Amino acid sequence: QVQLVQSGAEVKKPGASVKVSCKASGYTFTSYGISWVRQAPGQGLEWMGWISAYNGNTNYAQKLQGRVTMTTDTSTSTAYMELRSLRSDDTAVYYCAIKSGSYLDYWGQGTLVTVSS
Amino acid sequence: QSALTQPRSVSGSPGQSVTISCTGTSSDVGGYNYVSWYQQHPGKAPKLMIYDVSKRPSGVPDRFSGSKSGNTASLTISGLQAEDEADYYCCSYAGSYPSFGGGTKLTVL
Repeated sequence: QVQLVQSGAEVKKPGASVKVSCKASGYTFTSYGISWVRQAPGQGLEWMGWISAYNGNTNYAQKLQGRVTMTTDTSTSTAYMELRSLRSDDTAVYYCAIKSGSYLDYWGQGTLVTVSS
Repeated sequence: QSALTQPRSVSGSPGQSVTISCTGTSSDVGGYNYVSWYQQHPGKAPKLMIYDVSKRPSGVPDRFSGSKSGNTASLTISGLQAEDEADYYCCSYAGSYPSFGGGTKLTVL
């Protein structure tokens, strides 16, 4: 069955970087893109960007341009999302999801990233 | 501020029907047949319920249906059950990126 398993919770200081992983199984990794979506505590969903697992093309949300980098490792079917210059308002649960056309049909379990001094 | 507008909360009794609206513009909801809906229970990841306005993934009960008129999309849940109590988010493509609604909390009375 299709599964996305994300790395564990992280606690970071302001100004630091975090890299979240998302290991895929149960499907051909390079056939779909991976989107990243985050959810601040008690808030709604925010699209961060996506990466094609086929050719590595990316599309990032404008507000995160310059701070976020999404990559994939096709040899291990793993996607990564790195966010730099962390601020307190980056505290959120970060989700990866398989992008099938215009929608996200399988989601990882989420990774809590806490930014605190 | 979310690009798509949803009511903050809706409620209904078991067996009833409820409809959640999602209002955008001609640049997103009105311009593409790419509206999707996600259900999220507390502490859980979102789950795809409807895609491409009205299509249901396998395994989603046919009590869930989607539609669109102009710049407003709707999710209708008929025959409400206790397990339908959750947050619901709409999402629409807006050119090269998707926008989410702010979410609607569904309470089953």
